[in-house]
Amino acid sequence: QVQLVQSGPEVKKPGASVKVSCKASGYTFISYGISWVRQAPGQGLEWMGWISNYNGNTNYAQNLQDRVTMTTDTSTNTAYMELRSLRSDDSAVYYCARGPHCSGGTCYSQYFDYWGQGTLVTVSS
Amino acid sequence: AIQLTQSPSSLSPSVGDRVTITCRASQGISSALAWYQKKPGKAPKLLIYHASSLESGVPSRFSGSGSGTDFTLTISSLQPEDFATYYCQQFNSYPVTFGGGTKVEIK
Repeated sequence: QVQLVQSGPEVKKPGASVKVSCKASGYTFISYGISWVRQAPGQGLEWMGWISNYNGNTNYAQNLQDRVTMTTDTSTNTAYMELRSLRSDDSAVYYCARGPHCSGGTCYSQYFDYWGQGTLVTVSS
Repeated sequence: AIQLTQSPSSLSPSVGDRVTITCRASQGISSALAWYQKKPGKAPKLLIYHASSLESGVPSRFSGSGSGTDFTLTISSLQPEDFATYYCQQFNSYPVTFGGGTKVEIK
C-alpha cells in the first residue's frame, strides 16, 4: 500500500533552518512528484511547491522561493524540504503529498491522492 | 495567482441533510479542481479530482460538479463522520492554490 512517512516534530529558533523528510513506499517513486503543503494554526492549506522525482525539477511558491529547497533521493525513495531563515509565522504542520503524476518526464494533474502524517514545526525563541 | 473563493465559510447542518459547498475561481480553470476533507490532527483526504471524479474508496454520497469558474461539492446525506473542513484546490496553473475552507460543524 502507498505510504508517505515523515520525520518527527521540530522546534527551532528564529533564523534557523529545518529539514523535513518524507519516505515513500508502495509505488514507483519516480512516477510521481512530491509536493509540500503546510497549515499554520487556525489557517488554511498553503502549497509550498513540488519536486519531480524523475529529474529533480522543482517549482516553488513565489513567497517561499528564496528560503525553500526541495530535494529527492531516488536511492531511498525519500524527499526532503528545507526551509531557511525561519520566522515565527513559519510555525505550522508541514505535509508531503504524492502528486503530480509523471510519465516519461511529463507531469500533469497536480492533485494529491496520498499524504504524509504531517510534521509539526514550531519556531520560537 | 488564481484565487479560489469558497462559500459558505461555515455551516451547521444536521445528520441526514444535503450539504452543498461552492468554490469560485478568479479565472477559468477548466476541470482542474480537487476537493479535500480535513479533520483536526489528520492529513487532508482527497475526495474528488478533475471536478467530478470520485476518488477510490470515497463514499458515493460525495459528488462534485462544475467547470470553468464555478464548482460544487455536494454531500447527499450528511453522516456524523463528515463533520470536517472542506477545501477546494486548483491545479490548472502554478501556483497551485487552495480555497479558504468550509467548516461543517455539528448543529
